Amino acid sequence: DTEVTQTPKHLVMGMTNKKSLKCEQHMGHRAMYWYKQKAKKPPELMFVYSYEKLSINESVPSRFSPECPNSSLLNLHLHALQPEDSALYLCASSQVLLQGVRQPQHFGDGTRLSIL
Amino acid sequence: AQKITQTQPGMFVQEKEAVTLDCTYDTSDQSYGLFWYKQPSSGEMIFLIYQGSYDEQNATEGRYSLNFQKARKSANLVISASQLGDSAMYFCAMREGQRAGGTSYGKLTFGQGTILTVHP
Repeated sequence: DTEVTQTPKHLVMGMTNKKSLKCEQHMGHRAMYWYKQKAKKPPELMFVYSYEKLSINESVPSRFSPECPNSSLLNLHLHALQPEDSALYLCASSQVLLQGVRQPQHFGDGTRLSIL
Repeated sequence: AQKITQTQPGMFVQEKEAVTLDCTYDTSDQSYGLFWYKQPSSGEMIFLIYQGSYDEQNATEGRYSLNFQKARKSANLVISASQLGDSAMYFCAMREGQRAGGTSYGKLTFGQGTILTVHP
């Protein structure tokens, strides 16, 4: 069992729908991440939150809207997605330390998203 | 410029044998970390092993060990006594020592991955 929990595991939505992906961790980590992963490709970083503040947005389209309500929760709000947005969406968390190269990111099981 | 290179798209190994998955990297930082992750077909990314740039010993975790050659900028993963459950995609990743407002979370840069298939 992973210590980062993502819901739902699968999501099918139309291009006009609004939905949200949820991520929760209870490891006391203060950095949280969203990644997008296409089949047989490496994960691509989308957003990074550090101490509940958005630190990195990797030029992600505005139809993806992240939210970090508290230190344990990370949401990804979806609206007007395109078929090419179909992918596995992974959440991860890690400690935030000065020069913290040593801390691994811990990933959830992901949400498989299909856009009709 | 690609910072992490995994040159083996696919590898095959017989059960109970050892296998080496290659990873080379490029960085000008003195402080960095190298990670290996396993991703089964179910999708979860499982952290396997870590090697720091200042670590003098090669990292080991159970059946996983890292052959770290700093001068060659390589960090190959060795899996001993392969099991059927080891069949998965394996990613090498690097985290550089970045600063942002006094704290560091360091972006992970992933290689393209290697699909490992273990035969019975």
